[in-house]
Amino acid sequence: DQQVKQNSPSLSVQEGRISILNCDYTNSMFDYFLWYKKYPAEGPTFLISISSIKDKNEDGRFTVFLNKSAKHLSLHIVPSQPGDSAVYFCAAISGNTPLVFGKGTRLSVIA
Amino acid sequence: DAGVTQSPTHLIKTRGQHVTLRCSPISGHKSVSWYQQVLGQGPQFIFQYYEKEERGRGNFPDRFSARQFPNYSSELNVNALLLGDSALYLCASSLVLGPTGNQPQHFGDGTRLSIL
Repeated sequence: DQQVKQNSPSLSVQEGRISILNCDYTNSMFDYFLWYKKYPAEGPTFLISISSIKDKNEDGRFTVFLNKSAKHLSLHIVPSQPGDSAVYFCAAISGNTPLVFGKGTRLSVIA
Repeated sequence: DAGVTQSPTHLIKTRGQHVTLRCSPISGHKSVSWYQQVLGQGPQFIFQYYEKEERGRGNFPDRFSARQFPNYSSELNVNALLLGDSALYLCASSLVLGPTGNQPQHFGDGTRLSIL
């Protein structure tokens, strides 16, 4: 049973527009959520995280929103740039447990 | 500062063989975790080590084993390789036991293992 779900395998966005990547989870014990970005032939790179006690965290062009009642989080990238084209993984943790990843969403930013 | 380094970057083996993958964490990081990423999936947790002790194990068969050395580097060993073991194997390190929201794990670029 997948505890972290990214239901959109891919997303295409025009340069300068907003990219919204979605993630759903089933385990209410998760207390931190993280987004990682992965380029081909490289390992995942940490992007941004949010604690379960918050509903928003912002870092430059990246903002993560958390809706605990809906067990849903989203990553907003504004404005989107061609260099943002990558696979984005949503991940969650509970205490000291290892990261639980979603399957990823491939973002393509078109110039 | 050097990030997490993994070796080799690519490896081709045949069924039934054994493989050893290596990982050097970021300097000062005492926790190392291993993940397997199959094409089209997210990374799946295999092992976690902290201060040279196994602190967690994912749902993988006993053919998979690992250890952490006094310098905090780590090895992942896989015996009796199967075709399904073909994957990208990722190593991640963190300062503390397990990742936390404000002390996230940092990943290496992985070892691409192909089983023929």
